[in-house]
Amino acid sequence: QVQLVESGGGLVKPGGSLRLSCAASGFTFSDYYMSWIRQAPGKGLEWVSYISSSGSTIYYADSVKGRFTISRDNAKNSLYLQMNSLRAEDTAVYYCARAGLERDFDYWGQGTLVTVSS
Amino acid sequence: SYVLTQPPSVSVAPGKTARITCGGNNIGSKSVHWYQQKPGQAPVLVIYYDSDRPSGIPERFSGSNSGNTATLTISRVEAGDEADYYCQVWDSSSDHLVVFGGGTKLTVL
Repeated sequence: QVQLVESGGGLVKPGGSLRLSCAASGFTFSDYYMSWIRQAPGKGLEWVSYISSSGSTIYYADSVKGRFTISRDNAKNSLYLQMNSLRAEDTAVYYCARAGLERDFDYWGQGTLVTVSS
Repeated sequence: SYVLTQPPSVSVAPGKTARITCGGNNIGSKSVHWYQQKPGQAPVLVIYYDSDRPSGIPERFSGSNSGNTATLTISRVEAGDEADYYCQVWDSSSDHLVVFGGGTKLTVL
């Protein structure tokens, strides 16, 4: 069955960096677009970034553009999010999600919590 | 950027029908997807491409999309349906490609 397992979250000071990982299994990872989506405490869902199956096409939300970098390693069935210059407003649960053909998100990981605080 | 508007809350008695709306400019021209999120859990896709159900989602969940409003309909509501529901579209006309609605809290009375 499809599994997405995020890791790498934690507490970081403002201005710091963190790298999130998402390990995928149960499907042919290299066939699918993937995305990071976050949810601040008590708030709604916010899309962060999107990467094509080959990694050649990448999109970012304006709120993270220039600070976050999405990447993938299809040989390792893994998705990554490098987060730099972190701000308090980046505090959230970060989910990795598989993108379906209709640009829906058909499978989600359990999420990893990132807390940005001094 | 494209905006999706959902009512913050909807309440319904068990066994009745709940309708959750998602408003957007000419949303009928886009594919709308719906997610259910229970407290402490990741979202789950319940409707995609306006009205299709993923495997494992009960037939009680249905969707429609026309004009400026998409609707998620839950028939014969059960206590276990109590959750937050989010609509989502892909907006290729802007840089903000993936848009989520603000979410609707469904309360089963």
